[in-house]
Amino acid sequence: DAKTTQPNSMESNEEEPVHLPCNHSTISGTDYIHWYRQLPSQGPEYVIHGLTSNVNNRMASLAIAEDRKSSTLILHRATLRDAAVYYCIKIQGAQKLVFGQGTRLTINP
Amino acid sequence: DAGITQSPRYKITETGRQVTLMCHQTWSHSYMFWYRQDLGHGLRLIYYSAAADITDKGEVPDGYVVSRSKTENFPLTLESATRSQTSVYFCASTPRVGEAFFGQGTRLTVV
Repeated sequence: DAKTTQPNSMESNEEEPVHLPCNHSTISGTDYIHWYRQLPSQGPEYVIHGLTSNVNNRMASLAIAEDRKSSTLILHRATLRDAAVYYCIKIQGAQKLVFGQGTRLTINP
Repeated sequence: DAGITQSPRYKITETGRQVTLMCHQTWSHSYMFWYRQDLGHGLRLIYYSAAADITDKGEVPDGYVVSRSKTENFPLTLESATRSQTSVYFCASTPRVGEAFFGQGTRLTVV
């Protein structure tokens, strides 16, 4: 099964860090982990991806466990605009993104 | 403007009618995808294309037809619309594995 496991929902406060977990126990050694998010009434947007080591970009950081069976997306200072559904995704052949249910993140002012 | 554009943004059609959803990208990405999003099902892949004239089925292809005569266009046709095809449809393209760009979506209602 190429899908990943994430909590259905999480809640955090504005300007606090948010750690979004993902389990991907069936990942192979060459599978990258990708994160997307979907803001209300919009299409999904790419956030970050990684293979083995931690990754940072302007949007977020990605921490990948040493055994690669789990990862955590880190939003360092959440804003109200970060309220979205966050998807942790493995690629399934031919570059296909296979979406699970994702985590609905609520940010409280 | 560079990007991926879907049209129309909203469409209401009747059961049994044929309807085509358009998708256009300006980057010349090789891979393009069509997803549908329903409450309780998340995003499901309908069809994808690796290049012009190369298409393949995704998870839920029944009732849909695609074509890709030009790299930049990837239309999705519902041959005979049914109420179960009421959904939000997203088109995407990708320049490299895993980094896809999605359109704004087409909200289709079949009555």
